[in-house]
Amino acid sequence: SQQGEEDPQALSIQEGENATMNCSYKTSINNLQWYRQNSGRGLVHLILIRSNEREKHSGRLRVTLDTSKKSSSLLITASRAADTASYFCATEGSNYQLIWGAGTKLIIKP
Amino acid sequence: DVKVTQSSRYLVKRTGEKVFLECVQDMDHENMFWYRQDPGLGLRLIYFSYDVKMKEKGDIPEGYSVSREKKERFSLILESASTNQTSMYLCASSASTGPNEKLFFGSGTQLSVL
Repeated sequence: SQQGEEDPQALSIQEGENATMNCSYKTSINNLQWYRQNSGRGLVHLILIRSNEREKHSGRLRVTLDTSKKSSSLLITASRAADTASYFCATEGSNYQLIWGAGTKLIIKP
Repeated sequence: DVKVTQSSRYLVKRTGEKVFLECVQDMDHENMFWYRQDPGLGLRLIYFSYDVKMKEKGDIPEGYSVSREKKERFSLILESASTNQTSMYLCASSASTGPNEKLFFGSGTQLSVL
């Protein structure tokens, strides 16, 4: 079952611009995680935000969480070609297992 | 850094074959997972394991089995491969069970069943 739903499904921007992706979920959560997947590879953990946090930063990444709207956003500032990837949010299901959205495919044009 | 190694990047098998996908992690993680990933569907959990010789069904276990004889190794078995099992298979591990654990993934195995 899918809980996280990313929006948009695909995003294409110029290098240097900021990229924003959104994730909505349905039930209460303890935390929300964001992962990146380069084409044909495994996923890499980017950042985890707890339910009592509203914003978190890691380098060029900024994640916000709005539990009242059951949504999160991932902002990548000053995008680079290497940021081209798919981005997934994941929330916790039963037994602490993660539930994944279908992802946002981000393309950075040079 | 944690390393999760999947034995094959690409596999091509025939319908009805028995297929073994191997995964090894080198950080003494308690938990290991097998997912499949299909376009537009995100990741779906097949099986997971909290400990040696222990296994739990995920969301889509039908047609699959697993084996965890050693802590570092988690194998996914397709008893009789079918074309609808053509997919990307991802192995992952985590240090322990809890609400704030992150997963470490292998590079994936793209399996084609002809």
